[in-house]
Amino acid sequence: DTGVSQDPRHKITKRGQNVTFRCDPISEHNRLYWYRQTLGQGPEFLTYFQNEAQLEKSRLLSDRFSAERPKGSFSTLEIQRTEQGDSAMYLCASSWAGIQETQYFGPGTRLLVL
Amino acid sequence: ELKVEQNPLFLSMQEGKNYTIYCNYSTTSDRLYWYRQDPGKSLESLFVLLSNGAVKQEGRLMASLDTKARLSTLHITAAVHDLSATYFCAAGETSGSRLTFGEGTQLTVNP
Repeated sequence: DTGVSQDPRHKITKRGQNVTFRCDPISEHNRLYWYRQTLGQGPEFLTYFQNEAQLEKSRLLSDRFSAERPKGSFSTLEIQRTEQGDSAMYLCASSWAGIQETQYFGPGTRLLVL
Repeated sequence: ELKVEQNPLFLSMQEGKNYTIYCNYSTTSDRLYWYRQDPGKSLESLFVLLSNGAVKQEGRLMASLDTKARLSTLHITAAVHDLSATYFCAAGETSGSRLTFGEGTQLTVNP
């Protein structure tokens, strides 16, 4: 198992454009999380899925953000009409729900909105 | 709302010295995690602490949890340069699975 993977690793876009990121979790994990991290800060929770169900969304997740996990495997995070304030590292994590649950993070997608 | 505070935020120490990073959280939490992040990299899981009095050790790092005080510590013994990184603690809310992270402690170990 190669761990959590994310694509692309870097994305530069112009303000107002739409972007989509992909996350492939560890294969046997049933939970998948999205976080956002800005420079010098800890990650902030955005949303999470158990299997294909989106169970929780942060109020940080405005209407411009949408996430899907259509078959309970990979997930996509789309940002519509990007703004400069969206520039950040977008991290995906996965876990197996249970008492010893540990979230394993992917390498992240670094977004720069010009 | 769960809040997590770490201190210090910046720590510069000499090789061979010992130090402790503190993590306080504001409300009841049933899980406390420590992660390491190297510059430009993602987060690496170090420890998960699930019960009061839990202590875990890996190499020169030891983590403990006091749920009554809502405090976790990460103790560094005889620091070496390879430990230079940012260390985050994160607490899991009892009502869900999201993690709330502290601001991180940027550790620099000098020769």
